[in-house]
Amino acid sequence: AQSVAQPEDQVNVAEGNPLTVKCTYSVSGNPYLFWYVQYPNRGLQFLLKYITGDNLVKGSYGFEAEFNKSQTSFHLKKPSALVSDSALYFCAVNTGFQKLVFGTGTRLLVSP
Amino acid sequence: DARVTQTPRHKVTEMGQEVTMRCQPILGHNTVFWYRQTMMQGLELLAYFRNRAPLDDSGMPKDRFSAEMPDATLATLKIQPSEPRDSAVYFCASGPQGASGGAWYNEQFFGPGTRLTVL
Repeated sequence: AQSVAQPEDQVNVAEGNPLTVKCTYSVSGNPYLFWYVQYPNRGLQFLLKYITGDNLVKGSYGFEAEFNKSQTSFHLKKPSALVSDSALYFCAVNTGFQKLVFGTGTRLLVSP
Repeated sequence: DARVTQTPRHKVTEMGQEVTMRCQPILGHNTVFWYRQTMMQGLELLAYFRNRAPLDDSGMPKDRFSAEMPDATLATLKIQPSEPRDSAVYFCASGPQGASGGAWYNEQFFGPGTRLTVL
């Protein structure tokens, strides 16, 4: 069964500093990985995805994620955090033909 | 700016009452998903439609929940009778189908959700 884990409930970072939100996955085939962001009282918004190809994926709002097959990870990163990045971030995985499985979410708090 | 719309945005009802939530997917999207979000369970997929046909509703309690797509511009999720444990935020999402039919490859576009409170 496919699953995704987000080991941190919350990540705190100061504005201007780099941020990392961690995600590890478990699938029995090739993974298709996604990051979504949820702002308060809003639906989820797509940030980026990895299907195949370059392990470093660039997405919206300056975010990027690195696919690491040996470590089964897909960490979300940004070189310089903004206060407006504060939100709930979800990692999700599927193998292309099954349900999209979401992680439990990581709350990112960026302090001024 | 195409968006998924959901109505109502908030619903408070009493146990035993029927609840109907509506979703208008983005024009041209042929896949529609219903999710439920709670603090305890996180984000759960309830049902999935492609070309208006239900393909997977295994995440939905069958005895009280039903999901339909009367036409390409409307998806509905109905709970009858509602129970306090149904209190949650219900999201609809839509997405384009991939060229090879792999809708799961494509990102999903979420609506703003319906916050349901069952007293």
